[in-house]
Amino acid sequence: DGGITQSPKYLFRKEGQNVTLSCEQNLNHDAMYWYRQDPGQGLRLIYYSQIVNDFQKGDIAEGYSVSREKKESFPLTVTSAQKNPTAFYLCASMSFSSYNEQFFGPGTRLTVL
Amino acid sequence: AQSVTQLDSQVPVFEEAPVELRCNYSSSVSVYLFWYVQYPNQGLQLLLKYLSGSTLVESINGFEAEFNKSQTSFHLRKPSVHISDTAEYFCAASHQGGKLIFGQGTELSVKP
Repeated sequence: DGGITQSPKYLFRKEGQNVTLSCEQNLNHDAMYWYRQDPGQGLRLIYYSQIVNDFQKGDIAEGYSVSREKKESFPLTVTSAQKNPTAFYLCASMSFSSYNEQFFGPGTRLTVL
Repeated sequence: AQSVTQLDSQVPVFEEAPVELRCNYSSSVSVYLFWYVQYPNQGLQLLLKYLSGSTLVESINGFEAEFNKSQTSFHLRKPSVHISDTAEYFCAASHQGGKLIFGQGTELSVKP
């Protein structure tokens, strides 16, 4: 089955720790995206990547970092510099031939204790 | 700057009643438009999309949306809702660089 997987589903972190969220897709999609979702604020773009070894900042990149070493993988690191990291994180991917239609993973809920 | 506005943050409705979730977009160029649905603690699923052609698009579960270029709207409708339609709905518009611009979301709550 083709799709996007995110792991873990739930993640707890102590303040001051870095944590990495996994996102893998086997759809052979070109582009990948990370969004943050908070209640009442919709989806906000953190980072995106259109090609391996290249990525761009979204609207709220501060305190986050990414890498794109393989086409199918786009991990997100939430660093200790992120002031309020508790949120629901969604990964998405897209084929360049799909008119900007994005496919989403199931999400990771991060809670900072 | 391009934007998407969902005019209602919450829409309560009784089962079997009709519903309309409103979405307006601002863009000086042609756009592709999408409605996504999100059930609690899950990712977003595509409900329907407008790319070109007929301005009325339909989903397999009875939702429809009409692209209105003059009013820059893409409202979502269903003539009779079910309890299972309770979810959050997001309107989105294509943006340069392969990005999507999302509205703030509308929580649809269907009551028995």
